[in-house]
Amino acid sequence: KAGVTQTPRYLIKTRGQQVTLSCSPISGHRSVSWYQQTPGQGLQFLFEYFSETQRNKGNFPGRFSGRQFSNSRSEMNVSTLELGDSALYLCASSYGPPTEQYFGPGTRLTVT
Amino acid sequence: QKEVEQNSGPLSVPEGAIASLNCTYSDRGSQSFFWYRQYSGKSPELIMSIYSNGDKEDGRFTAQLNKASQYVSLLIRDSQPSDSATYLCAVNYNQGGKLIFGQGTELSVKP
Repeated sequence: KAGVTQTPRYLIKTRGQQVTLSCSPISGHRSVSWYQQTPGQGLQFLFEYFSETQRNKGNFPGRFSGRQFSNSRSEMNVSTLELGDSALYLCASSYGPPTEQYFGPGTRLTVT
Repeated sequence: QKEVEQNSGPLSVPEGAIASLNCTYSDRGSQSFFWYRQYSGKSPELIMSIYSNGDKEDGRFTAQLNKASQYVSLLIRDSQPSDSATYLCAVNYNQGGKLIFGQGTELSVKP
């Protein structure tokens, strides 16, 4: 079974721009969670989608948003990028919480 | 504020030894607990999940859960240099898809 895929793998953007990241979950998984990983803050939860509905949201500003499609694929968007948004963005899929979450390879975002 | 605490390490053990990684969590209502391994430059890889008190073994790995003490541990037997990585403890507090992660413990296994 194919794993979680994320695109793009690397991205360089300028402050003020916006970015969209994509995540395709493992086949059959209906839940997708997004996390931000930085050296200083570690892994922090952004939000979770299940059956196209956002069910949980972390403590991030409204510039961070997401959505899930009927095929369970998910996207997250960050608007008005700031230098501090530079991070590894990870998505994880599961059959449904609270079962095991499996991570994709991540998207490395650099904001200059 | 829900918290998950881990010793940051680094924890250094000789090859063949038992590595013991510990994690404490703040919310007594937590039900699901996970251990992930993360190699430098890679994404976290799930190695163990545990939901009830006691021990759960999978190959060289044993997870131990004590809900009364709010404590989760991971034992790695016969440690190998390839086990050198950062180990992340994660707790699911609300049965939803939100995991709270500890800061991770860096493990170094010396040949």
